[in-house]
Amino acid sequence: EAGVAQSPRYKIIEKRQSVAFWCNPISGHATLYWYQQILGQGPKLLIQFQNNGVVDDSQLPKDRFSAERLKGVDSTLKIQPAKLEDSAVYLCASSLERNTEAFFGQGTRLTVV
Amino acid sequence: AQTVTQSQPEMSVQEAETVTLSCTYDTSESDYYLFWYKQPPSRQMILVIRQEAYKQQNATENRFSVNFQKAAKSFSLKISDSQLGDAAMYFCAYRGIYNTDKLIFGTGTRLQVFP
Repeated sequence: EAGVAQSPRYKIIEKRQSVAFWCNPISGHATLYWYQQILGQGPKLLIQFQNNGVVDDSQLPKDRFSAERLKGVDSTLKIQPAKLEDSAVYLCASSLERNTEAFFGQGTRLTVV
Repeated sequence: AQTVTQSQPEMSVQEAETVTLSCTYDTSESDYYLFWYKQPPSRQMILVIRQEAYKQQNATENRFSVNFQKAAKSFSLKISDSQLGDAAMYFCAYRGIYNTDKLIFGTGTRLQVFP
């Protein structure tokens, strides 16, 4: 069974530029999560989708971050404009349904200079 | 709000020996799940073991076991017969049952395994 796929693996951008990350969850998984992991910290949930609807985006900085999950499958996370403090690993995870085991991708390491 | 605390930034163990990683949490909920995740340099979070709060029996998965003390809000991970491949960051995580299913992570413990 293929795991959660994320791209790119690494991205370096200048502050005030925009960037987008892509996630393809495990086939059939209805729930999709985006987590932000700043160096030295544990991951923090940014947004959770159930199919193509948003369940929780309370910690998403909506002035600069946006996410979508069209057709309830793939998802993209965008940052525009990026700030230095956005440097982090962005992890995507998916689960079959809510409250079931979450499987994580390998993440995208973003460096904002 | 729920919080998870890991007070050991780094731990080390000799190969084949046993090591225990500590985790405490705070919650007002009575039912919840607790997890230990392993994050190797590849960055992928891998589930090691999970514990349901309503179960008194401590979870075990091969060489990994937990000591779950609900009253003390403590959830430690014991790794027996440590192997070089166990070297990684280990994160303790909490997940509620009723209002949310997001994972709340601690700050992690870096485990080094020496031959």
